[in-house]
Amino acid sequence: EVQLLESGGGLVQPGGSLRLSCVASGFTFSGYAMSWVRQAPGKGLEWVSGISGSGTSTFDADSAKGRFTISRDNSKNTLYLQMDSLRVEDTAFYYCAKGANRDHPYHFEDWGRGTLVTVSS
Amino acid sequence: EVVLTQSPATLSLSPGERATLSCRASRSVHSFLAWYQQKPGQAPRLLIYDVSNRATGIPARFSGSGSGTDFTLTISSLEPEDFAVYYCQQRYSWPPLTFGGGTKVELK
Repeated sequence: EVQLLESGGGLVQPGGSLRLSCVASGFTFSGYAMSWVRQAPGKGLEWVSGISGSGTSTFDADSAKGRFTISRDNSKNTLYLQMDSLRVEDTAFYYCAKGANRDHPYHFEDWGRGTLVTVSS
Repeated sequence: EVVLTQSPATLSLSPGERATLSCRASRSVHSFLAWYQQKPGQAPRLLIYDVSNRATGIPARFSGSGSGTDFTLTISSLEPEDFAVYYCQQRYSWPPLTFGGGTKVELK
């Protein structure tokens, strides 16, 4: 059974930083691209960043470019999202999502339960 | 960026009725469209990928159709557990991968 467990969310001030983690189990982690997808409370879904199975290719939404960095450690079956220069509008649940193949995120076969990031002074 | 517009925003139906949800793309996404279901307090769940392929474990009452810019998710006969929000998502033109704004299927 695929399991994705996010952690690292919390309350941070505007301009601050957070690092989210997602520990994966139940599948060959390095064989799948992974993504972070966020959802502001009561709003729709927004893809943030994706990374290939090998970690050599990364893909970002404009909202993430220059501020967020996606990475992975396949030896630890863990996906990361380093978030810097956080803004109030980054407040959301952040979901870790497993892609459908090794190289590109494409669609999302499995999702974690999410971790809440709140950016507020 | 491909914009996906879902309609209607809310669909009020009774159990046993047929639900028809629409997703329209701002330009062709060919056959690279997926659908997700999200219930309150839960993560989304993949229902359909590449227009019409049901994901693992998804009941046959869920079906997808369409091509190019116009797509439909049909639930043939609503079960009580189907009342939820549904999102479409395209993977043809990316980054970014984009989602529609969602359709809420609510109990009439």
